[in-house]
Amino acid sequence: EAGVAQSPRYKIIEKRQSVAFWCNPISGHATLYWYQQILGQGPKLLIQFQNNGVVDDSQLPKDRFSAERLKGVDSTLKIQPAKLEDSAVYLCASSLEFGDFLMKQYFGPGTRLTVT
Amino acid sequence: TQLLEQSPQFLSIQEGENLTVYCNSSSVFSSLQWYRQEPGEGPVLLVTVVTGGEVKKLKRLTFQFGDARKDSSLHITAAQPGDTGLYLCAGRKYGQNFVFGPGTRLSVLP
Repeated sequence: EAGVAQSPRYKIIEKRQSVAFWCNPISGHATLYWYQQILGQGPKLLIQFQNNGVVDDSQLPKDRFSAERLKGVDSTLKIQPAKLEDSAVYLCASSLEFGDFLMKQYFGPGTRLTVT
Repeated sequence: TQLLEQSPQFLSIQEGENLTVYCNSSSVFSSLQWYRQEPGEGPVLLVTVVTGGEVKKLKRLTFQFGDARKDSSLHITAAQPGDTGLYLCAGRKYGQNFVFGPGTRLSVLP
């Protein structure tokens, strides 16, 4: 079974530039998550999709971050304009169902973003 | 304020030693998960515990959920270099998403 795919793996940009990350979840997984993991911290949920609808985006900085999941499969996360504090690893994860009591999330390898 | 605290923050031990890492909160969780994350990779789920006092074993790893479902521990017996990584706990309140702790970074030296 193929895992969660993410690209690019690494990205270096200057502050005020824009950047986009792509995620392809495990086939058949209805729920998709984007997390931000700053060095030395645990992952922080940015947004959760159930199929192509947003379930939770309470921690997404909506003035600069946006995300979409067209057709309920692939997803993109965009930052525009980037700030120095956005330097982090951006992780995508997917799970079969949000309501699943044990809710196993499968994580991709992440995209390491450096903003200079 | 961290919802979940993990201790120690860093741990460096020799191969063959035993260790315990802790995950603590003032909140009650309906379930708690432990993950291991290696450099350049995403977290990988090790175990989910849902019942207060529950103990689960995964080879040399023993996980315990506190009786009040506010804390958990992970004990590793005879650590090996392959156990090196960032150990994350994540707690979930009913109907909500999991929230991650800051992690314990373990280094097992050969």
